[in-house]
Amino acid sequence: EIVMTQSPATLSVSPGERATLSCRASQSVSSNLAWYQQKPGQAPRLLIYRTSSRATGIPARFSGSGSGTEFTLTISSLQSEDFAVYYCQQHDNWPLTFGGGTKVEIK
Amino acid sequence: QVQLVESGGDLVNPGGSLRLSCAATGFTFSDYYMTWIRQAPGKGLEWVSYISTSSRTIYYADSVKGRFSISRDNAKSSLFLQMNSLRAEDTAMYYCALGSGVLAFDVWGQGTVVTVSS
Repeated sequence: EIVMTQSPATLSVSPGERATLSCRASQSVSSNLAWYQQKPGQAPRLLIYRTSSRATGIPARFSGSGSGTEFTLTISSLQSEDFAVYYCQQHDNWPLTFGGGTKVEIK
Repeated sequence: QVQLVESGGDLVNPGGSLRLSCAATGFTFSDYYMTWIRQAPGKGLEWVSYISTSSRTIYYADSVKGRFSISRDNAKSSLFLQMNSLRAEDTAMYYCALGSGVLAFDVWGQGTVVTVSS
């Protein structure tokens, strides 16, 4: 099983600032990495798949990069609606696995 | 409008059984693979099971293998999860979800809550 590790666990950012979230895989997942956003009481929402492809309707301020075992989600200028928990997920191998999440909170 | 609606969650005793359902509307259900993902209270996401469009390919997480069974009825646009020998650690919100192409999920239901407790 591929273990996905996210860091930091919590990120405190001021509105308008850039946020950088990291995700590391225990072995290479090629470019098969997705990112989700989850707000309290809601189902997750797909942001990014295949490392850098934005899902339908996702604003351009969300971008993904990386390959192999190291990946990054960048939110270029945090808006109030972006404060949430973010999860990475590898979609390269079975079983599909998620990271433990990064909570982005208001500084 | 693409929509997934889960049902069947309940409070059940350890060792008991439960059948979850997921009703799909707004798209051609038989064209898409489906999956179940769960989230324990206050915890992260855990993939549970996958079923291909024709039901020919099925996968399970090790944590549920041998106890859970996924199935689908394309004629009724419905997905199911039969859960047997339930344990306290199966307590979670259960989501059905679908994706197209890669195994990332862009449509999710609102979830149904399963609580395993005596």
